[in-house]
Amino acid sequence: IVLTQSPGTLSLSPGQRATLSCRASQSASRYLAWYQQKPGQAPRLLIYGASSRATGIPDRFSGSGSGTDFTLTISRLEPEDFAVYYCQQYGSSPQTFGQGTKLEIK
Amino acid sequence: QLQLQESGPGLVKPSETLSLTCTVSGGSIGNGFDYWAWIRQPPGKGLEWIGSIFYSGSPYYYPSLTSRVTISVDTSKNQFSLILNSVTAADTAIYYCARHSGPGIAAPLEYWGQGTLVTVSS
Repeated sequence: IVLTQSPGTLSLSPGQRATLSCRASQSASRYLAWYQQKPGQAPRLLIYGASSRATGIPDRFSGSGSGTDFTLTISRLEPEDFAVYYCQQYGSSPQTFGQGTKLEIK
Repeated sequence: QLQLQESGPGLVKPSETLSLTCTVSGGSIGNGFDYWAWIRQPPGKGLEWIGSIFYSGSPYYYPSLTSRVTISVDTSKNQFSLILNSVTAADTAIYYCARHSGPGIAAPLEYWGQGTLVTVSS
């Protein structure tokens, strides 16, 4: 399953709302996760099962969608949220990742 | 708190074998229903799943790597390993070990090692 993320880069200011998209080439059901990666760090799991927050993830992060269209929403951006975000489908083998969306400070 | 730590050579010559080990602490690799995974990330690029293994089962591999990759588990040392044969410059990447969290392989990657950079160069 090929995952296509959009946009490639998103320029926003702290306090604004961010909406990131992930589209699958075929149904991923709800086996979809979102990860945040900061420079020099390993990815961190944010969302799994398309909409469940991982342990310790603030409630400003939310996920939605099923099948082929998924969205990660950050309701009100904090300075520490500027990073690269990846979606991953883990329901079909091989597991695959999207190419990433870079969220940068405007 | 579960922790994973990759170790192995940072430089491998073309056509030779890349060998990495992931040491798990804070939990037992042989307990539960979790799968253990290797993922890589070429410098400045995205993430690529290499494969996953259950402590007592057969591994799953990314199809294009199947002929060159072996993932194995050593429960006595609480470690799992990655071997990649016949490496080229295209295998230069940060290699991460991670744990799927949930029953079976169809589970997200919740715990990650810090990653180790492997450069393929003569």
